[in-house]
Amino acid sequence: DSGVTQTPKHLITATGQRVTLRCSPRSGDLSVYWYQQSLDQGLQFLIQYYNGEERAKGNILERFSAQQFPDLHSELNLSSLELGDSALYFCASSVEGGADGNTIYFGEGSWLTVV
Amino acid sequence: AQSVAQPEDQVNVAEGNPLTVKCTYSVSGNPYLFWYVQYPNRGLQFLLKYITGDNLVKGSYGFEAEFNKSQTSFHLKKPSALVSDSALYFCAVRDRDKAAGNKLTFGGGTRVLVKP
Repeated sequence: DSGVTQTPKHLITATGQRVTLRCSPRSGDLSVYWYQQSLDQGLQFLIQYYNGEERAKGNILERFSAQQFPDLHSELNLSSLELGDSALYFCASSVEGGADGNTIYFGEGSWLTVV
Repeated sequence: AQSVAQPEDQVNVAEGNPLTVKCTYSVSGNPYLFWYVQYPNRGLQFLLKYITGDNLVKGSYGFEAEFNKSQTSFHLKKPSALVSDSALYFCAVRDRDKAAGNKLTFGGGTRVLVKP
């Protein structure tokens, strides 16, 4: 168990809909990351937040948005869903500094199926 | 831009034999290098990392990896594979330059199948 918690584990929704994925980082971790894993694109970095502020942005679509709240949990919002958005979405977290400061720990992921 | 290549989609090995999963990387400057493993229907589990120091890094479950700067490689190894090592393995790189952020760039993954 990495200590990163994601909900829901599975989600099936229709095209055009909007969903929210939730993530609780490991205790004490200030950085949260979102990744998408799909068969054709592999593991793609979407976005990183550090202590509530956006720090880095990757291949995140404009239909997607994320935020990190004062209690450090994060949400990834996916809207106007398309079939191609079906994927496994990972949240990950890391602490800044220290011996473990370079290691990013991943949650179990949220399986999204768009039908 | 940083990139990672895992040249083998799948590696088959008999239980008890040595296991090697290959990884090469491209990054400006000196990298941080990582290996993760993904078991079926599970998340990514951290195995080991190279930050600095000894080129041979030891990690979880008996795995180790050797950093080779001249060949820009970071191959994962296990002296004696177990059936339970069958999984999907990912190599990842992170630029040391903080301006690049902390994001990891992953290779395409290598499926390992250990046969009894």
